[in-house]
Amino acid sequence: GENVEQHPSTLSVQEGDSAVIKCTYSDSASNYFPWYKQELGKRPQLIIDIRSNVGEKKDQRIAVTLNKTAKHFSLHITETQPEDSAVYFCAATNNDYKLSFGAGTTVTVRA
Amino acid sequence: DGGITQSPKYLFRKEGQNVTLSCEQNLNHDAMYWYRQDPGQGLRLIYYSQIVNDFQKGDIAEGYSVSREKKESFPLTVTSAQKNPTAFYLCASSIWDSADTQYFGPGTRLTVL
Repeated sequence: GENVEQHPSTLSVQEGDSAVIKCTYSDSASNYFPWYKQELGKRPQLIIDIRSNVGEKKDQRIAVTLNKTAKHFSLHITETQPEDSAVYFCAATNNDYKLSFGAGTTVTVRA
Repeated sequence: DGGITQSPKYLFRKEGQNVTLSCEQNLNHDAMYWYRQDPGQGLRLIYYSQIVNDFQKGDIAEGYSVSREKKESFPLTVTSAQKNPTAFYLCASSIWDSADTQYFGPGTRLTVL
């Protein structure tokens, strides 16, 4: 099955700086890579996703890049704000309707 | 994801008891999923169902059971065979032909007393 590894497990950044979270996956057939944000005690919310036919996708301050050759993808948050503080999860699937999740990254934005 | 509801929000179980967690969706999604979340371990798949009256085991199905008698409902029973059930349980759903995009319910926090 798919194995997704996520780094770092914790990330502390100064407000206004950028944050980068990296994930690697094992199944070369994986073709869909969503990112979820989970605030404390809340449900995970989809914030951005990318499919294997695209190398990069951007939505305002959030961007995701995908390197299929190296089997890794990354989340980039620019101009971080206190409300960006949360746990972020990457995931991957080869379209067998099961998502494999990374262990999560706790992001803290310092004011 | 506002169309997925879970109840109760908090649930306490005594040793040896079975408990059932409710998950309902009004999004007309075909596929539904149950995940367990423990600190530092991400989300682990318990069971999933792609269609009514059919479901498959996920990665950690032991000690759990499900049913899918209606499209909008996918209840999870945590049996006494589950030795460490204290966790946050999340239900999710997705459209059949875009089953990779999953939307989550608010979760149920189960505590064993």
